[in-house]
Amino acid sequence: AQSVAQPEDQVNVAEGNPLTVKCTYSVSGNPYLFWYVQYPNRGLQFLLKYITGDNLVKGSYGFEAEFNKSQTSFHLKKPSALVSDSALYFCAVRDRRDTDKLIFGTGTRLQVFP
Amino acid sequence: GAVVSQHPSRVICKSGTSVKIECRSLDFQATTMFWYRQFPKQSLMLMATSNEGSKATYEQGVEKDKFLINHASLTLSTLTVTSAHPEDSSFYICSAREGQKYNEQFFGPGTRLTVL
Repeated sequence: AQSVAQPEDQVNVAEGNPLTVKCTYSVSGNPYLFWYVQYPNRGLQFLLKYITGDNLVKGSYGFEAEFNKSQTSFHLKKPSALVSDSALYFCAVRDRRDTDKLIFGTGTRLQVFP
Repeated sequence: GAVVSQHPSRVICKSGTSVKIECRSLDFQATTMFWYRQFPKQSLMLMATSNEGSKATYEQGVEKDKFLINHASLTLSTLTVTSAHPEDSSFYICSAREGQKYNEQFFGPGTRLTVL
């Protein structure tokens, strides 16, 4: 069965420090991979996606993610965290062979302290 | 990026009434729209997928007669929760996608439904 795991419910980091939000997936074949961010009582905002090509993907607000096929991971990273980055982050995958279904992880709350 | 709106943002209704939620793509044509449900501190669960002019495809366990979806145009989809009950209280989020499957989905701001 297809699934996405975000092993950390919450990640705490000091402002200015690098951050990593982890994501691993279980999808047969080569998936499409996405990261979204959700602020309180808001919908999700698209951050970045991996379709093909370079394993390092750069997205919005200085975020990037690295696709690692052997480890089936797609960790979200940022070199220097901002307090305003504090939000709920969702990793999502879609099987290329499937029609439309986007499968979300359970989300990781990022808290950046000043 | 593309903008998706939802209306209303918040609705409170009595048990037994029906509630309609609108989802609009404001600056692109949404060939496919999706409806999700999000419980507190949980992930998004896909309820149904709809393509313009076609019947929606519902996920397993989602009652199609309970959650009526209409995607009458390339910019509008509606979700009607019929005969709502307190257990239907949730955060409903729509998303829209233009064109190819590998394109990202753009999400609306969500609708908080509270059934008394």
